[in-house]
Amino acid sequence: EVQLLESGGGLIQPGGSLRLSCAASGFSFSSYAMSWVRQAPGKGLEWVSAISGSGGGTYYADSVKGRFTISRDNSKNTVYLQMNSLRAEDTAVYYCALMITFPLIDYWGQGTLVTVSS
Amino acid sequence: EIVMTQSPATLSVSPGERATLSCRASQSVSSNLAWYQQKPGQAPRLVIYGASTRATGIPARFSGSGSGTEFTLTISSLQSEDFAVYYCQHYHNLPPSFGQGTRLEIK
Repeated sequence: EVQLLESGGGLIQPGGSLRLSCAASGFSFSSYAMSWVRQAPGKGLEWVSAISGSGGGTYYADSVKGRFTISRDNSKNTVYLQMNSLRAEDTAVYYCALMITFPLIDYWGQGTLVTVSS
Repeated sequence: EIVMTQSPATLSVSPGERATLSCRASQSVSSNLAWYQQKPGQAPRLVIYGASTRATGIPARFSGSGSGTEFTLTISSLQSEDFAVYYCQHYHNLPPSFGQGTRLEIK
C-alpha cells in the first residue's frame, strides 16, 4: 500500500524559511517522480514542483521558482521541499504526491499546513 | 500555461440521480486529463485518468469522456459518499494545471 507522510509544516514569519519532508513507503521509491501540490485555505489545487526518480530533473511552478527547491534522498525514501523567502500567499496545505506516469498524480499524502504570518 | 475551466461551480443533485460535470482546456491536452475527488478535510483522490479510465477502486458508476479540449465526468447514480468537490487536471505538459473545482452537493 502506498503511503506518503508529510511533516515540517507550521507557522513562519514572512521572509522566513521552512523545509517540508515526505516519507514514502509501499512502492519502489527511486523508480518514480514525486511532486508537491498546495491548496490555500478554501481554495483550489495548485501544482508546485516535481522531481524525477533519479533526482536529476526538477520542475517548478512560476509562482515558486527561485524560492523553493525540491530534492530527494532515495536511500531514505524521502522527498523534500525547501521553501525560502516565504510570503503570505504561500499559506496552504502542502501535499506530497506520487507520479507513477509523469506528470499524472496517482497518490496523495494527507498534507501539512504551512502558515506564513507575522 | 494551459488553463482549465470547470462548470458549473456548484451542482445540486439528489441521491440516485445522475451528475454531469464539465471541464474545458484552453488548448488541446489530447486524452491527458484526470479527475480528482476531494472530501472536506481529506486529500484528493484520483478518480479518472486518461480522460476515461477509472482509477483503482473507483466504482463503475463513475465514467469519463472527451478528448482535446472538452471533457465530462458522469456519476450515474449518486451515492451519499459521492458528494464532494471534483477537480479536473491536465497532465499534457508542465505545469499540470487544475480546474477551479465543481462542488457536488446534495439537493
